Amino acid sequence: GDSVTQMEGPVTLSEEAFLTINCTYTATGYPSLFWYVQYPGEGLQLLLKATKADDKGSNKGFEATYRKETTSFHLEKGSVQVSDSAVYFCALRPSLAGNMLTFGGGTRLMVKP
Amino acid sequence: DSGVTQTPKHLITATGQRVTLRCSPRSGDLSVYWYQQSLDQGLQFLIQYYNGEERAKGNILERFSAQQFPDLHSELNLSSLELGDSALYFCASSVEDHGSGELFFGEGSRLTVL
Repeated sequence: GDSVTQMEGPVTLSEEAFLTINCTYTATGYPSLFWYVQYPGEGLQLLLKATKADDKGSNKGFEATYRKETTSFHLEKGSVQVSDSAVYFCALRPSLAGNMLTFGGGTRLMVKP
Repeated sequence: DSGVTQTPKHLITATGQRVTLRCSPRSGDLSVYWYQQSLDQGLQFLIQYYNGEERAKGNILERFSAQQFPDLHSELNLSSLELGDSALYFCASSVEDHGSGELFFGEGSRLTVL
């Protein structure tokens, strides 16, 4: 079945460092891909998405490119801030499904001043 | 604030008991989803309702059931509770059941089974 694999955390960075969180997926067809973020004590919220190959999703300085050839959707940010500390989830929506999402295990990011 | 309201926020109960978790979706959203977040299983999809009807089912145990009422709020019923049912249960909502894939999540109900 469909699955999403993320790098395990925690990822600890200093403020202004470059961030990469790896995400790869297994799915048939052409899924849509998402990054959700969960801040402490809150529910998940959509960070960015891409619906077809080579699309780049971006929001709040974060970017991810849908790479079908490598089945990847890595999350990047050029300069992280303390306020980016959260848990990041990669997710996919199968091409023939509704809004049912399959999530990766989540990666905790801690940014130190 | 996502607009999705879940109650209770915390619940502690004993094995063998039954609990009900409640979710009010965002105003105007017709679809409700339930997810279970545990340390060992990650975030698992349980079930989805759209305008009162069950639309999709995931890894939901037979001891668990859910429904969506005419006012669109939803309840997740967990019975014969086991220690392994301890988890954070999220409700999410969306306007439709096929679309953008953007779900709006509540803050979750943390269930502890002792």
